[in-house]
Amino acid sequence: SQQGEEDPQALSIQEGENATMNCSYKTSINNLQWYRQNSGRGLVHLILIRSNEREKHSGRLRVTLDTSKKSSSLLITASRAADTASYFCATGFTGGGNKLTFGTGTQLKVEL
Amino acid sequence: KAGVTQTPRYLIKTRGQQVTLSCSPISGHRSVSWYQQTPGQGLQFLFEYFSETQRNKGNFPGRFSGRQFSNSRSEMNVSTLELGDSALYLCASSKSGGVYEQYFGPGTRLTVT
Repeated sequence: SQQGEEDPQALSIQEGENATMNCSYKTSINNLQWYRQNSGRGLVHLILIRSNEREKHSGRLRVTLDTSKKSSSLLITASRAADTASYFCATGFTGGGNKLTFGTGTQLKVEL
Repeated sequence: KAGVTQTPRYLIKTRGQQVTLSCSPISGHRSVSWYQQTPGQGLQFLFEYFSETQRNKGNFPGRFSGRQFSNSRSEMNVSTLELGDSALYLCASSKSGGVYEQYFGPGTRLTVT
């Protein structure tokens, strides 16, 4: 079963706008990761944030983590058409090795 | 550095047959995990192998099995295929011993008819 839920399920924006996706999870974690997937292909790793971190940046990406609310958000600034993809959050837990539990995903469409 | 490779990329099998999928991790990565992705269930963890030992297992029937070789390459096997096994099977490799990102291969698209 899915650990997390992502919100919204689908998002359509214009190029240049910012896109925000939210992820909620149910159990204690030691890390949360965001991945991108284009059209049913392999997943591309975007950012990893540990449970003792609150915010991380990578280029146009900003991830926040609130462990008290069991939630995370991914912000993509100045979106481009090439950002069109599905975005997934995935959680890992202490003692779970490299096992990740994925959320349901957000389908982002960036229009020209 | 070469990425994660999976073979074959596409496979069509008949119900009742068995299938073996292969995954070669990034050089130096000793952990290999397998995931199943379907439209209905999303991405689900199958199992993880580290140093030739299964370290974690997801909630799948015993028809799904795997193994890892001394060079960290991994295979997964599905026996007695069912229509519901049609999915994208993804392999991911990672360093181990801490919290690390995982690198995914392109996947094997399995269709069971």
